Amino acid sequence: DTAVSQTPKYLVTQMGNDKSIKCEQNLGHDTMYWYKQDSKKFLKIMFSYNNKELIINETVPNRFSPKSPDKAHLNLHINSLELGDSAVYFCASSYRQGMAYEQYFGPGTRLTVT
Amino acid sequence: GQQVMQIPQYQHVQEGEDFTTYCNSSTTLSNIQWYKQRPGGHPVFLIQLVKSGEVKKQKRLTFQFGEAKKNSSLHITATQTTDVGTYFCAAPDNYGQNFVFGPGTRLSVLP
Repeated sequence: DTAVSQTPKYLVTQMGNDKSIKCEQNLGHDTMYWYKQDSKKFLKIMFSYNNKELIINETVPNRFSPKSPDKAHLNLHINSLELGDSAVYFCASSYRQGMAYEQYFGPGTRLTVT
Repeated sequence: GQQVMQIPQYQHVQEGEDFTTYCNSSTTLSNIQWYKQRPGGHPVFLIQLVKSGEVKKQKRLTFQFGEAKKNSSLHITATQTTDVGTYFCAAPDNYGQNFVFGPGTRLSVLP
């Protein structure tokens, strides 16, 4: 069974559109994350979320918003897509929030904005 | 904010040669993690180091945390083509809430 899954795997869309990426984990973890990996492979955290707290990286534009219907899901909504949003987006989860816990990453969603 | 630097950015080795990547921080770290990302894949957790001077081994991989807890290294002995990928270190951010990933070291292994 896949531990952390994401859909879609590829997403090609035009500037100005709104899109969502879904993420699900079946590990029973408390905390989920979204990361952006650019073309130079830099991995940057966007959000971390558990049922009590959402921590937002201050550099993330407010066009990006995480939505969590339940503990096992953390979806990423992006409004008014821009060319610079093209990247690979990874969802991840960990047992608890905090620095002591390893993160399990999903397979990634490659977003291309044209 | 917290930054971790990694060197080298790229490393090309012949199969069988050794490889080392270094991770450096300007501040003392409570712990550090290492991840490996294969080409086209996702980051996979390798290990976490917590204690000053800690050394951990996983088969051909040796991980070390500096005495001052400001640097760490990953050494691979006798590289194989399966070692190809990007190796990231990750350290707690300034608030201690999330991890900040280093820029990674991309390893190529020539057969």
